[in-house]
Amino acid sequence: GAGVSQSPRYKVAKRGQDVALRCDPISGHVSLFWYQQALGQGPEFLTYFQNEAQLDKSGLPSDRFFAERPEGSVSTLKIQRTQQEDSAVYLCASSLRTSGGPYEQYFGPGTRLTVT
Amino acid sequence: AQSVTQLDSQVPVFEEAPVELRCNYSSSVSVYLFWYVQYPNQGLQLLLKYLSGSTLVKSINGFEAEFNKSQTSFHLRKPSVHISDTAEYFCAVSEPYNQGGKLIFGQGTELSVKP
Repeated sequence: GAGVSQSPRYKVAKRGQDVALRCDPISGHVSLFWYQQALGQGPEFLTYFQNEAQLDKSGLPSDRFFAERPEGSVSTLKIQRTQQEDSAVYLCASSLRTSGGPYEQYFGPGTRLTVT
Repeated sequence: AQSVTQLDSQVPVFEEAPVELRCNYSSSVSVYLFWYVQYPNQGLQLLLKYLSGSTLVKSINGFEAEFNKSQTSFHLRKPSVHISDTAEYFCAVSEPYNQGGKLIFGQGTELSVKP
């Protein structure tokens, strides 16, 4: 079956531009996670949804970062007024659920964002 | 707070040689531990996981890892590596599931298998 998909795969933005990154989770997966992976580093948690509810956004680095999942499936990570330090690979993962877990997180291929 | 330390950033090894990728964690609660593999330009794939029960867990492609609570380690081993094992390997610990279950990753170990 289809896995987690992300688009675009690559995005180049000029400093100050706004960007929107899309994640399509596996159908039926309740939980959705966003991670940021800087060059040469491990992924770091950004935010987490259970259905349409954003239950944890403690990892968002600033108020320029905003995520939504309005219908409990597709999610969008938006970065306003991009800065060079935002350059990274943004990974999306989904899992069947988390309560009563653990459940495996399935990762998408990521969106590589380069801010020039 | 939970954390993961991968002790080697790069591990070069010759084909058919054994390899060990080291991982130590810190956690004040019961842990779930994972190894993920990332091939170039691809997403993370789960390699194996420790949830409970037997402390030795194995993958379908010959990797194994042992949960050692006293040493807070979860080292990954393979007795004979192949060229195709060349990839980045990440160790991760899961936050308690009643708190969301987010993953906390180590810095990664780049395994380079040479012919």
